[in-house]
Amino acid sequence: GENVEQHPSTLSVQEGDSAVIKCTYSDSASNYFPWYKQELGKGPQLIIDIRSNVGEKKDQRIAVTLNKTAKHFSLHITETQPEDSAVYFCAAGVQGAQKLVFGQGTRLTINP
Amino acid sequence: DTGVSQNPRHKITKRGQNVTFRCDPISEHNRLYWYRQTLGQGPEFLTYFQNEAQLEKSRLLSDRFSAERPKGSFSTLEIQRTEQGDSAMYLCASSWTREIWYFGPGTRLLVL
Repeated sequence: GENVEQHPSTLSVQEGDSAVIKCTYSDSASNYFPWYKQELGKGPQLIIDIRSNVGEKKDQRIAVTLNKTAKHFSLHITETQPEDSAVYFCAAGVQGAQKLVFGQGTRLTINP
Repeated sequence: DTGVSQNPRHKITKRGQNVTFRCDPISEHNRLYWYRQTLGQGPEFLTYFQNEAQLEKSRLLSDRFSAERPKGSFSTLEIQRTEQGDSAMYLCASSWTREIWYFGPGTRLLVL
């Protein structure tokens, strides 16, 4: 089955700097890669996703890149703000399938 | 509030007791998922419903666990004879399209 590894487990950056979180997956059949943000006491919220037919997707300060050959994908947050502090999860799945496999999470802290 | 709701938000029980959690999905979402999240880990898939039919169950779902979705609306997850290892956050998600999962706030279970 699919296995998703996420690094780093914790990340601390200065406000205004960029943050990068990386994930690798094992199943070459996976073709859908969402990223979720989880704040304390809340469920995960989808912030951006990418399908395997594109290599990069941007949404304001957030971007995701995908390298299918190497089976890895990354989340990039630019101009970080205090409200970006949260736990971020990557996930991988097959489009139209019933389940996603999540990474272990990255606790991102933005220092003012 | 039109998001996914879960009740109760917190549950403390003694080992051996039965517990039941409820999930109310976003109205008209035909797909409903249960995930379990332990401290410091990503969510793990438990089971999936399409309308009232339970279509997939994880090996994590032992025979002490049962989930239902009568009439394809709300869902319940029951754990019988709880064990300390059942302590976790139980997350529910729903979707209409096949990829965008909307998660609820979760039910945090502590088994003493």
